[in-house]
Amino acid sequence: QQQVKQSPQSLIVQKGGISIINCAYENTAFDYFPWYQQFPGKGPALLIAIRPDVSEKKEGRFTISFNKSAKQFSLHIMDSQPGDSATYFCAASNIGGSQGNLIFGKGTKLSVKP
Amino acid sequence: NAGVMQNPRHLVRRRGQEARLRCSPMKGHSHVYWYRQLPEEGLKFMVYLQKENIIDESGMPKERFSAEFPKEGPSILRIQQVVRGDSAAYFCASSPRRGPYEQYFGPGTRLTVT
Repeated sequence: QQQVKQSPQSLIVQKGGISIINCAYENTAFDYFPWYQQFPGKGPALLIAIRPDVSEKKEGRFTISFNKSAKQFSLHIMDSQPGDSATYFCAASNIGGSQGNLIFGKGTKLSVKP
Repeated sequence: NAGVMQNPRHLVRRRGQEARLRCSPMKGHSHVYWYRQLPEEGLKFMVYLQKENIIDESGMPKERFSAEFPKEGPSILRIQQVVRGDSAAYFCASSPRRGPYEQYFGPGTRLTVT
């Protein structure tokens, strides 16, 4: 069964610290891995995404690290800020073999303390 | 350019009633994906539609659920004879093309079945 496992379920980080969220997948056909950020009462918003041909992608304070052999990828938030407090979802998709639907992890609730 | 709109934002139905959820995609987008989010869970794909066509409904329950995306007007997710287990947040995402890259999510409809 296609599945994406996400950990931890919740995370508390001090302002200025590094937040790290991990995801693992099973289906080796997945070839697109986005991260979404969701604030309470809002829909998910695309944060950053990676394809398996690179091992790392950085956009501002957000970095995705990708380990194809381990079938794992992670989101690093550098210099975490209280405004980063939200729920983060990893996801995966098989671009060529599906109609584009995303398979989501269960989410990580991040709280950044001032 | 307005984002994806969903209405109603909150919907309360008694068991056995019908629920109609509407999704107006972004201007120029002709692809719509519906996802369901149960409490403390990630989003799960339900159905993918293009204008006037259902492309993939593999994630949608076989009974009581239906979806449409007419030539004119919003996409509609219809749930007949609702049960308590249908209580969830329902999100639609619109895209200018098939695939996972550019799915923009609406704010969701929170359905409560009493």
